[in-house]
Amino acid sequence: DAGITQSPRHKVTETGTPVTLRCHQTENHRYMYWYRQDPGHGLRLIHYSYGVKDTDKGEVSDGYSVSRSKTEDFLLTLESATSSQTSVYFCATTAGYGYTFGSGTRLTVV
Amino acid sequence: TQLLEQSPQFLSIQEGENLTVYCNSSSVFSSLQWYRQEPGEGPVLLVTVVTGGEVKKLKRLTFQFGDARKDSSLHITAAQPGDTGLYLCAGETPGTYKYIFGTGTRLKVLA
Repeated sequence: DAGITQSPRHKVTETGTPVTLRCHQTENHRYMYWYRQDPGHGLRLIHYSYGVKDTDKGEVSDGYSVSRSKTEDFLLTLESATSSQTSVYFCATTAGYGYTFGSGTRLTVV
Repeated sequence: TQLLEQSPQFLSIQEGENLTVYCNSSSVFSSLQWYRQEPGEGPVLLVTVVTGGEVKKLKRLTFQFGDARKDSSLHITAAQPGDTGLYLCAGETPGTYKYIFGTGTRLKVLA
């Protein structure tokens, strides 16, 4: 969806390094989310934001932090990457009644 | 913890066949969505159902929300190879804008 851009699309990083994933939206939606998708687990919520500087934890937030300084940008940081954080990460926004997703970031931690 | 169980997990059918995918929970949702995801892309919203008992049709796809708003089904009539993909249901926790996702049904339609 052209309204949500995730960067980078692919990244390989080493264990122990910090990593930041970016989500940029042009939808002007108040709510933004970070999910990870893993085989056998489906999509799991990491963190979400309900406004600028307003964020909260999801079900798998350990090892992750987020920041939202502008409506259009939502950053996800892996403070010290571990192999268990190898996954596909999706950003999503909503104005109610369903999400619009970005195309995802495939992150590999080696 | 709210859970959404989808069945079947995998489905391989011939073009022209009908199929139904189920999404079940013990929790009540304020709305329920169905998405389709193709490899390398994010899920794309197909439909949102809000009212218990609601039925929505999208061409050959029929979506139903259970009367108690705990379950839903997706029925595809005369499946086509273009219907191939991962189908996900997601329920909205009442009073929030957070959605719980099912683990998905991977559909393959053979020509």
